[in-house]
This record gives sequence, structure tokens and C-alpha cells, in this order.
Amino acid sequence: DGGITQSPKYLFRKEGQNVTLSCEQNLNHDAMYWYRQDPGQGLRLIYYSQIVNDFQKGDIAEGYSVSREKKESFPLTVTSAQKNPTAFYLCASSILAGTETQYFGPGTRLLVL
Amino acid sequence: AQSVTQPDIHITVSEGASLELRCNYSYGATPYLFWYVQSPGQGLQLLLKYFSGDTLVQGIKGFEAEFKRSQSSFNLRKPSVHWSDAAEYFCAVEDFGNEKLTFGTGTRLTIIP
Repeated sequence: DGGITQSPKYLFRKEGQNVTLSCEQNLNHDAMYWYRQDPGQGLRLIYYSQIVNDFQKGDIAEGYSVSREKKESFPLTVTSAQKNPTAFYLCASSILAGTETQYFGPGTRLLVL
Repeated sequence: AQSVTQPDIHITVSEGASLELRCNYSYGATPYLFWYVQSPGQGLQLLLKYFSGDTLVQGIKGFEAEFKRSQSSFNLRKPSVHWSDAAEYFCAVEDFGNEKLTFGTGTRLTIIP
């Protein structure tokens, strides 16, 4: 079955630690996205990538980094510079960036110890 | 900048009753409009989308939405809700060529027997 997988489902971060969230898709989509979801704030775009080896900052990129070395993979690193990382993180993909439906993974909940 | 407003944070409806969830957008041209649904702790699932053409759009699970340009609205409706419809609903907007979705803050739907 085609789809988007995110791992782990839950992730715990210690102070000063970088953590990486995985996102993999087998839909052969060119575009991939990372969103952060906080209660009452909807989804906010962190980074997106239209094609391999290229990505752009979204609305809240500070404290995060990404890479896009393979079409099917778009990992997100939450760095120690992100002072309030506790949130639900959602990865999405679409055939192309812009005007295409985005399909979402099941999410990763990040908690700070 | 474009924006999306979902004025109702929480709505409670009796099972079998009709439902309307409101969505208003702020954007100069005709945007692309989406409704997504999210069950607790899960990713988002697309209910329906409007790109152009007929302003009444049919989606999955018996949902429909109507685009009203004069009111800048894209309200979601269902004639008779089921207990399984309890979830959070997000309206989203994408302006042509922007490659990004802007989400509303969501409406949580509770179904009572």
C-alpha cells in the first residue's frame, strides 16, 4: 500500500539535544512538507521541498533543519535552538508543489524531558 | 497575506442532526480550498477540495462544501452526523502558485447520543 510513514510515534528530547524525525513516502511524490501542530493554532509550515536536494523555509523554520537527499525521504531535525519543541509534527507530500492535494502521515509527538 | 478563519472552536451536535462548519478566507483571487479531518493523535485526511467549476463540492463520508465568492466562505456541511464523525476539522487555503497551504485553527466536533 502506498502512503506516508512517520517514526517514531513518540519522541522524547532532553535539554540541549538534537532529535531527528523520520518521514518516508512511497507515493512517488516530488513535494514534501513538515508542519507543526499546537493546540488551538492549527498547522504551521516548518519546511517544504519541491524536489530532491532543494528545500525552502516555511513560516516557523527557526530551530529546525531538514535534508532531501532522496525523493522518498524528508527527515526533520529539531535542534537545541528550538526552545519550545513540544508539539505534534506532521509530514505531508504531494505530487507537485502548489495546487495539488497534500497527503499526511500519522504524525510524531515530541515531548521534552 | 492570505488567512483562514474558522470561527467555531468547538461544536456539539446530536447524532442524526445536520452539521455546518464555517470557514472564511482572506485572499484577493480565487484560492484553492480544502477541508481535512483529523482524529485524535492521527494525521489529516482530505474530505474534499475546490479548485474551480461547480461551487458545491461533494466529498467523502457524506460531506459537502459550498464555495461562496461573495462571502469568501467555504462552509462544510453534512445532513446527518454519525458518532464516528467526532473529530477535528480543518479548512485550508492555497493560492495559485504559492505552493503552500494556510490552515485555519480547526473546529472540534463532539457528537452526543
